[in-house]
Amino acid sequence: DSGVTQTPKHLITATGQRVTLRCSPRSGDLSVYWYQQSLDQGLQFLIQYYNGEERAKGNILERFSAQQFPDLHSELNLSSLELGDSALYFCASSSGGVYGYTFGSGTRLTVV
Amino acid sequence: DQQVKQNSPSLSVQEGRISILNCDYTNSMFDYFLWYKKYPAEGPTFLISISSIKDKNEDGRFTVFLNKSAKHLSLHIVPSQPGDSAVYFCAASSGGGADGLTFGKGTHLIIQP
Repeated sequence: DSGVTQTPKHLITATGQRVTLRCSPRSGDLSVYWYQQSLDQGLQFLIQYYNGEERAKGNILERFSAQQFPDLHSELNLSSLELGDSALYFCASSSGGVYGYTFGSGTRLTVV
Repeated sequence: DQQVKQNSPSLSVQEGRISILNCDYTNSMFDYFLWYKKYPAEGPTFLISISSIKDKNEDGRFTVFLNKSAKHLSLHIVPSQPGDSAVYFCAASSGGGADGLTFGKGTHLIIQP
């Protein structure tokens, strides 16, 4: 157990729908990062939050949004889903930059 | 435009031998490099890292080499063990990772008995 908890582990939904992925960071970590891994691709950085505030944005689509709550858990909202959004979504947490990155086990999203 | 490239999708190595995984990058602003290991149905786990001010970092059986002029790094695992069979991702960052990590597509390492 890495200490980073992601729920649900699997999600199947239809095109056009909206889903919410949840991440609880490791105890004490203030930063949360979201990554997407599509088939045969490396992990693509989506967005980072630090102590409730958005810190950096990567290749995140406008249909996607995220937030980090006062208890530091984070949610990634994906809307108007398309087949191409099917992927593994990973959350990572850190206490300081990239040096102490810990990943969760991911949420596998399948859009049908 | 892929800034971090792992050109070998898979690599098969005999148990006990050396495994060498390669990674190339194009962004000269990258100043910190990491290797992650990933088993199926698990998230990536940190393996070893190296700062751009160094050319080598060693941790047990794992050694990472950085050649800045060639924009190339490699991960050496010696001796290779069956538990090393996994997908290995090379990742890079700049400025303390303010913009997250940039990952390669991974190399699937298979250790044969």
